[in-house]
Amino acid sequence: DTAVSQTPKYLVTQMGNDKSIKCEQNLGHDTMYWYKQDSKKFLKIMFSYNNKELIINETVPNRFSPKSPDKAHLNLHINSLELGDSAVYFCASSQDLRAGNEKLFFGSGTQLSVL
Amino acid sequence: DAKTTQPNSMESNEEEPVHLPCNHSTISGTDYIHWYRQLPSQGPEYVIHGLTSNVNNRMASLAIAEDRKSSTLILHRATLRDAAVYYCILRAVFSGGYNKLIFGAGTRLAVHP
Repeated sequence: DTAVSQTPKYLVTQMGNDKSIKCEQNLGHDTMYWYKQDSKKFLKIMFSYNNKELIINETVPNRFSPKSPDKAHLNLHINSLELGDSAVYFCASSQDLRAGNEKLFFGSGTQLSVL
Repeated sequence: DAKTTQPNSMESNEEEPVHLPCNHSTISGTDYIHWYRQLPSQGPEYVIHGLTSNVNNRMASLAIAEDRKSSTLILHRATLRDAAVYYCILRAVFSGGYNKLIFGAGTRLAVHP
């Protein structure tokens, strides 16, 4: 069983479209995250939810809207896609957002290409 | 946020030990030192973490300087599968006691047969 799974693995779409990426974790964790890795390979945190509550929002454009229907799921919806949104998006989870010794478990990524 | 500095790239031969350095001179007393690695086309993977004492696990060892301003990740016998980007990260604490992982550029490790 994959601990953190995200779908789809690849997403190719046109500018202006709306798309969603889904993430599920079966680790029983309370906290989930979205990270973005751009073409220069820098990994940047976008959002974090703890028990379905938004905790971190790293000044991401409001075209990006995370939704957490329950603790095990954190989906990312992107409106009006732009060329600059092309990147690899990683979902992650951890047990607790407060403990400094917590490990994060990452999914295998969704490669988004906006044409 | 406390920052880390790592070499851009390193090379090693298979079966040899690898020492990956990290400088974190602005580390605070409550910052844990974490190491993750990212294999090609995969998500980051936890390797090891520590606070003050050296740590060992099945993947690697972490040696932390006495003043905690630097640390070294040690892979005892590099394999081809260890070729990856290795990130040294300090957990950044913010309001409410929450913290987050902030990734730097990392060190790209090449392992030669």
